[in-house]
Amino acid sequence: DQQVKQNSPSLSVQEGRISILNCDYTNSMFDYFLWYKKYPAEGPTFLISISSIKDKNEDGRFTVFLNKSAKHLSLHIVPSQPGDSAVYFCAASANFNKFYFGSGTKLNVKP
Amino acid sequence: DTAVSQTPKYLVTQMGNDKSIKCEQNLGHDTMYWYKQDSKKFLKIMFSYNNKELIINETVPNRFSPKSPDKAHLNLHINSLELGDSAVYFCASSQGTSSYNEQFFGPGTRLTVL
Repeated sequence: DQQVKQNSPSLSVQEGRISILNCDYTNSMFDYFLWYKKYPAEGPTFLISISSIKDKNEDGRFTVFLNKSAKHLSLHIVPSQPGDSAVYFCAASANFNKFYFGSGTKLNVKP
Repeated sequence: DTAVSQTPKYLVTQMGNDKSIKCEQNLGHDTMYWYKQDSKKFLKIMFSYNNKELIINETVPNRFSPKSPDKAHLNLHINSLELGDSAVYFCASSQGTSSYNEQFFGPGTRLTVL
């Protein structure tokens, strides 16, 4: 039973446009959420996080939105660049370092 | 200067064999993890050690035995390998056990059991 789901396995976006990656979760105890980025043959690297006390966190071109009532978070990348092409994982935790990961969304940014 | 390294990168073996995957981190972190990425691409936590003590032990067959000789190393030994053990295994480390402590991942070890 997966507690974190990323229902879009892939997404293709034109360079310069907005990329929106979505993530849903089922456990209302989750209070901390992360996005990781993964290139082929490498491990995931931390991208951005958000605590449940916030509904938005921004870091440069990356913004994460959290909708607790819908148990939904999204990652916006504006503007998208070809170097953003990677697999993006969302992860969630309930007050400890045990994270539940989604299955990832492969983003392809076309030049 | 790889922060979290794993060896080997690829491992192909027969069913029933015993194999080990090694992990080392040079970040000075006190907490290390093993994750399994299954065929459906979910990353699932298997084990976590803090200062060489086991703190997370998920529902994993006891054929899997982690060993932490010191804070910088967390090895994973797998006995009697089965087809379903085929996956990519990621090691990670963090400073501290809070969810706010960023986890740094190794490049992964792709295990194929024939």
